[in-house]
Amino acid sequence: EVQLVESGGVVVQPGGSLRLSCAASGFTFDDYAMHWVRQAPGKGLEWVSLISWDGGSTYYADSVKGRFTISRDNSKNSLYLQMNSLRAEDTALYYCAKAGIPAAAGAFDIWGQGTMVTVSS
Amino acid sequence: EIVMTQSPATLSVSPGERATLSCRASQSVSSNLAWYQQKPGQAPRLLIYGASTRATGIPARFSGSGSGTEFTLTISSLQSEDFAVYYCQQYNNWPRLTFGGGTKVEIK
Repeated sequence: EVQLVESGGVVVQPGGSLRLSCAASGFTFDDYAMHWVRQAPGKGLEWVSLISWDGGSTYYADSVKGRFTISRDNSKNSLYLQMNSLRAEDTALYYCAKAGIPAAAGAFDIWGQGTMVTVSS
Repeated sequence: EIVMTQSPATLSVSPGERATLSCRASQSVSSNLAWYQQKPGQAPRLLIYGASTRATGIPARFSGSGSGTEFTLTISSLQSEDFAVYYCQQYNNWPRLTFGGGTKVEIK
């Protein structure tokens, strides 16, 4: 079964740091780019970051650029998101998502269940 | 950034009826458009990619159409499990991927 399982979400103070993890199984992890997508409570979806299959290329939404770092460890079938200088507006459910087939690599064909990050004092 | 606008915000439909959801892009995204379904407390699920190709396991009652700036998701005969929020997403402007604000399909 293809599966993504996120972890690491907690309550953190503004200005704090956090590292999210996503464990992948059921597919050849290092064949695919991976994404982080977030959803603030009661709101829509926002793409956060993308990493290529080999980790050689990374991209970020303007809202997180310079504060978040995406990485992956293909030997562990794992994806990470290091979040620094957290702000209240970063409060959201964070999903990891697998990129689709090459012709639709910008679509997200498998999603985890998400991990909740709350930034509050 | 390409802005995706979905309409209506809420669509009230009776079971068995047809639902038509719209998505408009602020500039052309060619056919690089996906649709997702999200039920309460669940992660989104990919329904359609390439504007009109159903993802694996998606029932035939879901269909997508359009290209350029205007897109439509049609659910031919609504089932009870189809009441959810639907999002469109463009992936033409790589890697600045953007979603629409969503359409909630509710029971009439």
